[in-house]
Amino acid sequence: DVKVTQSSRYLVKRTGEKVFLECVQDMDHENMFWYRQDPGLGLRLIYFSYDVKMKEKGDIPEGYSVSREKKERFSLILESASTNQTSMYLCATQLLTEAFFGQGTRLTVV
Amino acid sequence: AQKITQTQPGMFVQEKEAVTLDCTYDTSDQSYGLFWYKQPSSGEMIFLIYQGSYDEQNATEGRYSLNFQKARKSANLVISASQLGDSAMYFCAMRELVSNFGNEKLTFGTGTRLTIIP
Repeated sequence: DVKVTQSSRYLVKRTGEKVFLECVQDMDHENMFWYRQDPGLGLRLIYFSYDVKMKEKGDIPEGYSVSREKKERFSLILESASTNQTSMYLCATQLLTEAFFGQGTRLTVV
Repeated sequence: AQKITQTQPGMFVQEKEAVTLDCTYDTSDQSYGLFWYKQPSSGEMIFLIYQGSYDEQNATEGRYSLNFQKARKSANLVISASQLGDSAMYFCAMRELVSNFGNEKLTFGTGTRLTIIP
């Protein structure tokens, strides 16, 4: 079974905190993605990576950064969390016709 | 411009009827692919069906089929004989190349919330 695992299902952080969301996959997929999902807006791409140490900005990268030190791990970093970053965050991996998702992390910034 | 457009925010359909969820896309690439995902209230993303741009036949998976009209850039999902368990959010997505090295990007639409009425 494919496994894409996100480190937390629910997370509550304070404004201004540095937040790390971790995603690990066991499929050896090159491509990994971070999305945020908000009602009415669908899944919006924050950052993606197609190789170790490579990253590309998605459609809404502002306020976020990423790290990919190993192929299987892709981290999303909120340098200074703000209340408008309260959202559901989804990690995905993809190789050609296959794409798999983690269970999501619901982040609340208070 | 939106890469993936889903124009139906919500749909209500009677149980056992067929339903079509619309998806149009925008790309200038010749090689791309289209996915449909289902997201029930539990939040997991469930893969339903995939269509490659060079596939000549429309993709089918059980009760799901993809009505692919390349010239119109549409990839509508058809669910036959709808069931109560089909109530969920449905997302259309497109994979496309972003470089000459084969790197790809996966872009989603805003989704359609489908409700099946008993």
